[in-house]
Order: sequence, then structure tokens, then C-alpha cells
Amino acid sequence: KAGVTQTPRYLIKTRGQQVTLSCSPISGHRSVSWYQQTPGQGLQFLFEYFSETQRNKGNFPGRFSGRQFSNSRSEMNVSTLELGDSALYLCASSLEARNYEQYFGPGTRLTVT
Amino acid sequence: QKEVEQNSGPLSVPEGAIASLNCTYSDRGSQSFFWYRQYSGKSPELIMSIYSNGDKEDGRFTAQLNKASQYVSLLIRDSQPSDSATYLCAVNWDNQGGKLIFGQGTELSVKP
Repeated sequence: KAGVTQTPRYLIKTRGQQVTLSCSPISGHRSVSWYQQTPGQGLQFLFEYFSETQRNKGNFPGRFSGRQFSNSRSEMNVSTLELGDSALYLCASSLEARNYEQYFGPGTRLTVT
Repeated sequence: QKEVEQNSGPLSVPEGAIASLNCTYSDRGSQSFFWYRQYSGKSPELIMSIYSNGDKEDGRFTAQLNKASQYVSLLIRDSQPSDSATYLCAVNWDNQGGKLIFGQGTELSVKP
């Protein structure tokens, strides 16, 4: 069974721009969570989607948003990029909502200059 | 108090020894506990899950859970240089809709 895939793998953007990251979960997995990982803050929860609905959101500004499609694929968007948004963005999928056994994709490395 | 706490390390053990990684958590209502391994430049990989008090063994890995003490640990027997990685403890946080909270991770170095 194929794992979680994320595109693109690497991205360089300029301050003020916006970016969209994509995630395809493991086949049959219906819940997708997004995380931001930085050396200083570690892995921080962004949001979780299940059945095209955002179930939960972490403590991030409204510039961070996401959505989920009917095939469980998910996208996250960051608008008005700031230097501090440079991070590894990880997507994780699980079978159901509140099923915390999550499997991570390879991540998207975002660099904001 | 942080929600999930781990010693950052680095923890250095010789090849063949037992590596012991520890994690404490603050939410008494947590029911699901996970250990992830993350190699440098890679994404976290789920290696163990534990839901009940006691020990759970999987190959060279043993997860131990003590809910009364709010403590979960991971033992790696016969440590190999390939086990050198950062180990992340994760705990479910059912407040505010439910999510997985990660510790900062413990860096393990296994010396040949």
C-alpha cells in the first residue's frame, strides 16, 4: 500500500507571497492532520480534517488554512508568508478522526526569503 | 509544565547496549501513546503504540506505560548504530477537539 505523499517536496518563496501544499493520504485513510516542524518549536499541530471538515485547529494565525476533498486528499495554504514560516510541513493520515495512530508523509520543506 | 516532556539528549549508548528513552505527560485523560523515530532530514516514522498500562514488546523495542505516574518509556535492546535518530513521544490530547501532542524528542546516538 502506498504511503502518504506530499507535493512539492521543496519550495522557496518570498515574504508576502502565498503557498499551497498538497497531501494524499494512505488509501482508505480518511483523516489528515498537518504539522509544522522547526528546530526551536518541534512538531506543532496545525489542523485536522475528516470528511471534508476541519475538526480541530492548533494555535496558528488565520494565515494558515486548509481544506479536504471528497477523496480525502488535503491542501494547506499559507498566505502573506513571513520569514518565520520557514519550516518542514508534515502531513499525517489516519484511518478515522480521533484515531491517533498517524502515518507521516515525507514533508514539504518551505523556505521563505 | 509542558504537555509532553522528554530529555533532549543527546543520549549516547554503545552498540549492543539497552537504550532507555523517557517521556512524561500532563493530561491524566490521555489514552493513546506513541513513539516515533525520526532520522535526520526525514519525516517521523511510527514505531510503537501503547494504550494500556504495562509493557508492549515488538522485536527489539519495548514500550512501557504507567498512567498513574503519567510516564511512558521506550527501551531499545541490542542497540545498533542504525538506531541513531531522534525519538519523539506523542500523546493524545482530547481537550479542544482532540489532537496528538509531541514532545521535543530525544536524540539517540549509538556508538560502534
